[in-house]
Order: sequence, then structure tokens, then C-alpha cells
Amino acid sequence: KAGVTQTPRYLIKTRGQQVTLSCSPISGHRSVSWYQQTPGQGLQFLFEYFSETQRNKGNFPGRFSGRQFSNSRSEMNVSTLELGDSALYLCASSLLAGTSGYNEQFFGPGTRLTVL
Amino acid sequence: DQQVKQNSPSLSVQEGRISILNCDYTNSMFDYFLWYKKYPAEGPTFLISISSIKDKNEDGRFTVFLNKSAKHLSLHIVPSQPGDSAVYFCAASAAYGKLTFGQGTILTVHP
Repeated sequence: KAGVTQTPRYLIKTRGQQVTLSCSPISGHRSVSWYQQTPGQGLQFLFEYFSETQRNKGNFPGRFSGRQFSNSRSEMNVSTLELGDSALYLCASSLLAGTSGYNEQFFGPGTRLTVL
Repeated sequence: DQQVKQNSPSLSVQEGRISILNCDYTNSMFDYFLWYKKYPAEGPTFLISISSIKDKNEDGRFTVFLNKSAKHLSLHIVPSQPGDSAVYFCAASAAYGKLTFGQGTILTVHP
């Protein structure tokens, strides 16, 4: 079974631009979560989608948004990029919808975003 | 407010010995805990998890222990192998799709 895939793997943008990152979950997984990893803040939760609905959101500004499609694929968008948005963006998928008791997430390789 | 803490930034162990990685948490709403292993430029790889209704879970060389009263969990790797060298993250869950991660511990296993 194929793992979580993320495209593109690397991206260079300039301040003020916007960017869209894509994530394809493991087949059959319906929950997709996004995380940002930086050296200073570590791995931080951005948001989670299930059945095209955002169920949970982390403490990030409104410039960070996402969506999920009917085939469970997900995209995240960052508008008006800032230097501090340079990070590794990770997507993870999970099989069970459900309660927090079963939340084994499987991660993709990430998209390395550099903002100049 | 760091709800999940890994107080040891690094750990060095000899091959064949036990590696013990520790993690503390503050949020009593966490009910599921996980350990991930990560190499540079890759996504985290799931290792093992434990529900708050258990105090131990084993999978091969990996064992996770949970002490709810102390809000502490640990990962034991026995025996340690050089291929285990990586960054280890503990994570905790209390809500849909959201994992709260510790800052990570760099494990180095020397041959």
C-alpha cells in the first residue's frame, strides 16, 4: 500500500506570495492532518480534515488555510508569505475517524518551504 | 505552554544496551500517546502507541510505559542498534486528528 505523498517536495517563494501544498493520504484513510516543523517551535499542529470538514485547528493565523476533497486528498494554502513561514510542512493521514483514542497518524515526507 | 516535554535533548547509548527515552505531559485530557522516529528531511515514522487505559505496550524491541499519576511516559529500546539512531518524538492526543509533540530527543547508538 502506498504511503502518504506530498507535492512538491521543495518550494522556494518570496515574501508576499502565496503557496499551495498538496497531500494524498494512504488509500482508505479519511482523516488528514497538517503540521509545521521549525527548529525553534518543533512540530506544531495546523489543522485536521475529515470528510471535507475541518474538525480541529491549531493556533496559526488565518493566512494558513486548508481544504479536503471528496477523495480525501487535501491541500493547504499559505497566503502573504512571511520569512517565518519557512519550514517543513508535514501531512499525516489516519484510518479511524474517530475518537482521540485511536489516532495513529502516518506521515508523508513533507514539503520544504523556503521563503526569501 | 508546552504540554508535552522531552527534557533530554540527546541520549548516547552503546549498541546492544537499553535506550530509555522519557516524556512528560501536563494536560490530563490526553488519552492516547505515541512515539515517532524521524530522520532528517523525512516525515516521522510511527513506532508504537499506548492508550491511557493501559500502562505498558510492547512491540518487538520497543516497549512504551505510561504512568498516568506522574503524567510520564517512556520508550525502551532493547537491544539498541546503530540503525535506531534518529530523533525520537513523543506525541499525545486529546482531540480529533491533533497530536501535540514534544521537542524530540536525538538518540545516538554507538557500535
